[in-house]
Amino acid sequence: GAVVSQHPSRVICKSGTSVKIECRSLDFQATTMFWYRQFPKQSLMLMATSNEGSKATYEQGVEKDKFLINHASLTLSTLTVTSAHPEDSSFYICSARRPDTDTQYFGPGTRLTVL
Amino acid sequence: GQQLNQSPQSMFIQEGEDVSMNCTSSSIFNTWLWYKQDPGEGPVLLIALYKAGELTSNGRLTAQFGITRKDSFLNISASIPSDVGIYFCAGQSNAGNNRKLIWGLGTSLAVNP
Repeated sequence: GAVVSQHPSRVICKSGTSVKIECRSLDFQATTMFWYRQFPKQSLMLMATSNEGSKATYEQGVEKDKFLINHASLTLSTLTVTSAHPEDSSFYICSARRPDTDTQYFGPGTRLTVL
Repeated sequence: GQQLNQSPQSMFIQEGEDVSMNCTSSSIFNTWLWYKQDPGEGPVLLIALYKAGELTSNGRLTAQFGITRKDSFLNISASIPSDVGIYFCAGQSNAGNNRKLIWGLGTSLAVNP
């Protein structure tokens, strides 16, 4: 297996503030990480692909200025939700692709609530 | 976006029963993956399949990569209460550096002790 951590696990913020979520691969180096959003009782929706040392690739309909992604090292990617609004409240999950098995391992998720 | 056809959508079974779920796709994949997600947690990888026809076991779980590369199934034998959760299939092609996962909609499993 592999271990991917996410921090924080839960965050409550006021509307208009920005929130940063960290994703770390703890036992392997990941050139590629992914950020997902999941609504209740639904599957995971890919937001963006984060490549170390280059700009993230965003899925259609995802605002890159709203969801800032930085992948500055082979073990860390961050997602910043800027000027958060209540409709941004969701469960955000990251994953890291293990290069030797070409398989994605997921973090435990971050529950964001915007008041 | 594209999604896989995963069935059944939900299952309610008695402890000790066997479970079977499957996924089909209109396009071929090079990798099939099965994940389990508990409430409030991220998905946990159960089984990864890399070759058409491959049959792989992980304890009481068995999964197969279909010969056509367009389908996969997951079996759980002798279910126990901790098998409760949502099971997702995912397919991955080898095209491009990003190699996104295409997801099924999930099978919700409930086990009656």
